[in-house]
Amino acid sequence: QVQLVESGGGVVQPGGSLRLSCAASGFTFSSYGMHWVRQAPGKGLEWVAFIRYDGSNKYYADSVKGRFTISRDNSKNTLYLQMNSLRAEDTAVYYCAKDEAVTTLAATFDYWGQGTLVTVSS
Amino acid sequence: DIQMTQSPSSLSASVGDRVTITCRASQSISSYLNWYQQKPGKAPKLLIYAASSLQSGVPSRFSGSGSGTDFTLTISSLQPEDFATYYCQQSYSTPPFTFGQGTRLEIK
Repeated sequence: QVQLVESGGGVVQPGGSLRLSCAASGFTFSSYGMHWVRQAPGKGLEWVAFIRYDGSNKYYADSVKGRFTISRDNSKNTLYLQMNSLRAEDTAVYYCAKDEAVTTLAATFDYWGQGTLVTVSS
Repeated sequence: DIQMTQSPSSLSASVGDRVTITCRASQSISSYLNWYQQKPGKAPKLLIYAASSLQSGVPSRFSGSGSGTDFTLTISSLQPEDFATYYCQQSYSTPPFTFGQGTRLEIK
């Protein structure tokens, strides 16, 4: 069965950095694009970033462009989100999500991890 | 960016009721519309994709319809486990892939 397990969340000061990881299993990770989606406390869902199955294309929300970097290691079945210059408004639960389409971008999130909480506070 | 607007924002209903949630896009998105269910403290779960296709394992009491700018999610007979927050999300063309603000479905 598909499993996505995020890690790396925690408390960080404004301006700091954090790297999130998402360990995938139960499917051919190297064949699917992957996304990060976040949810601020008590708020709705916000798409953050996407990476193609082979890492060749990446897209970002304007709110994180230039500060966050999505990457993947297909040999380790792991997705990453490097977050720099963190702001209070980046405080959220961060979910990794699998794209439902093989080798293309459908932007339909068919499996989600349990999420990891990032808190940006002094 | 494409804006997604759901209505109502919250809804009270009883077990056995038929419930409809609507989602409107700020421009035509053809049938590139997905619905998710989220329970407190849990990750979202895909219910409906491509406006009307039921995700594997999702009960048939859930259905979706619409195209262009106007979409609906219908639950034909509410069950206790259906009380949750529901989000629509557009998957049309290029990013960002925006969500509606959510509809909280509560027990009356």
